[in-house]
Amino acid sequence: GQQVMQIPQYQHVQEGEDFTTYCNSSTTLSNIQWYKQRPGGHPVFLIQLVKSGEVKKQKRLTFQFGEAKKNSSLHITATQTTDVGTYFCAGPIGSSNTGKLIFGQGTTLQVKP
Amino acid sequence: DVKVTQSSRYLVKRTGEKVFLECVQDMDHENMFWYRQDPGLGLRLIYFSYDVKMKEKGDIPEGYSVSREKKERFSLILESASTNQTSMYLCASKAQGKAYGYTFGSGTRLTVV
Repeated sequence: GQQVMQIPQYQHVQEGEDFTTYCNSSTTLSNIQWYKQRPGGHPVFLIQLVKSGEVKKQKRLTFQFGEAKKNSSLHITATQTTDVGTYFCAGPIGSSNTGKLIFGQGTTLQVKP
Repeated sequence: DVKVTQSSRYLVKRTGEKVFLECVQDMDHENMFWYRQDPGLGLRLIYFSYDVKMKEKGDIPEGYSVSREKKERFSLILESASTNQTSMYLCASKAQGKAYGYTFGSGTRLTVV
């Protein structure tokens, strides 16, 4: 069945270092979404990418959608302790327009001050 | 801001009990979802509803049922709770067709003993 895989599962960085998480889908996606979940919290929607090769930035966060629309990445420049949490990518299930999403397993980021 | 409210933050239930998890959203969203979150497995879709009284099974519906009698309320029912249903349960809602992501509730951490 359809799968969305994320690597790495965990990442520990020193504050100020960069961080990247990668998301790979077994199928072509019409769009990809990214969410952040702080420790003890719930996932919060960050962004949606739709176009092949699309790049979007939110301050120190850069999101990319691959040319084949099967992979995506999230890059954080100069991490801060406020970046701690688990980052999930998610893509639509099948070709339906129901809004159902399949989530990756997430990448948990720890930042040492 | 859209609010998705889950009735309980923590629940402890006994094996065999019937358990109701309630979710209410205040933005007239058509689509509502129930996911469970387990370490290393990410978020897995249990059930989905795209309208009042309409529901679809997700990836892991076994042992669960749902009810959507009113647009704003989506209930998850564990017919006979088992220890393998100990998990974090997340409700989410989304406006149909809109190009933004889910709004999640704060989650219910259910422990079945």
